[in-house]
Amino acid sequence: QLVESGGGLVQPGGSLRVSCAASGLTFSTYWMSWLRQAPGKGLEWVANINQAGNEKYYLDSVKGRFTVSRDNAKNSLYLEMNSLRAEDTAVYYCARLLMAAAGPNWFDPWGQGTLVTVSS
Amino acid sequence: AIQMTQSPSSLSASVGDRVTITCRASQGIRDDLGWYQQKPGKAPKLLIYAASTLQSGVPSRFSGSGSGTDFTLTISSLQPEDFATYYCLQDNIYPWTFGQGTKVEIK
Repeated sequence: QLVESGGGLVQPGGSLRVSCAASGLTFSTYWMSWLRQAPGKGLEWVANINQAGNEKYYLDSVKGRFTVSRDNAKNSLYLEMNSLRAEDTAVYYCARLLMAAAGPNWFDPWGQGTLVTVSS
Repeated sequence: AIQMTQSPSSLSASVGDRVTITCRASQGIRDDLGWYQQKPGKAPKLLIYAASTLQSGVPSRFSGSGSGTDFTLTISSLQPEDFATYYCLQDNIYPWTFGQGTKVEIK
């Protein structure tokens, strides 16, 4: 089970950290991911992080502003978001990323999401 | 970035109908494609990965096919619980990209 928290209202240019608590899975053995969905819109992949936290991939539009990290001792995944923009307003989902040896990859399960609203 | 074009964007169908949703990639992605179902207010759920592998626990009326650039999700006999929005996702090349979604509505 994955449970996100930390969403809320933040002003443009502000910062926020959202968290994802994992239970019922061996968290430290899996890649993890963040995805998002703007209100009434489709899904968008945001970031991936490997088991050790030393390999990360980001959506171009968040590179340099968002940082994904994890604490395996706490079974937790984080997304630190800085310089937030109105277009970052979305429900943010964490998901376990399953990866075959030579691809493909898939997300299962997903958390229930946490809403981040960027507005003045 | 690879563009994923889903069609149709919406469809109306009746219980028992056969439904087909297509997804076309702007370049070849092997079989690095998944299908996800999302119901209103809920998180997405994995249906199919590797283009045609049914996720454990997903009913066998769902099937996927395709490779390269053209992919299909088929629901062989639509059930009431299948009314939802469906998304394809390519995971071949970063940034991973979703199709725009197909909303399946009750006729």
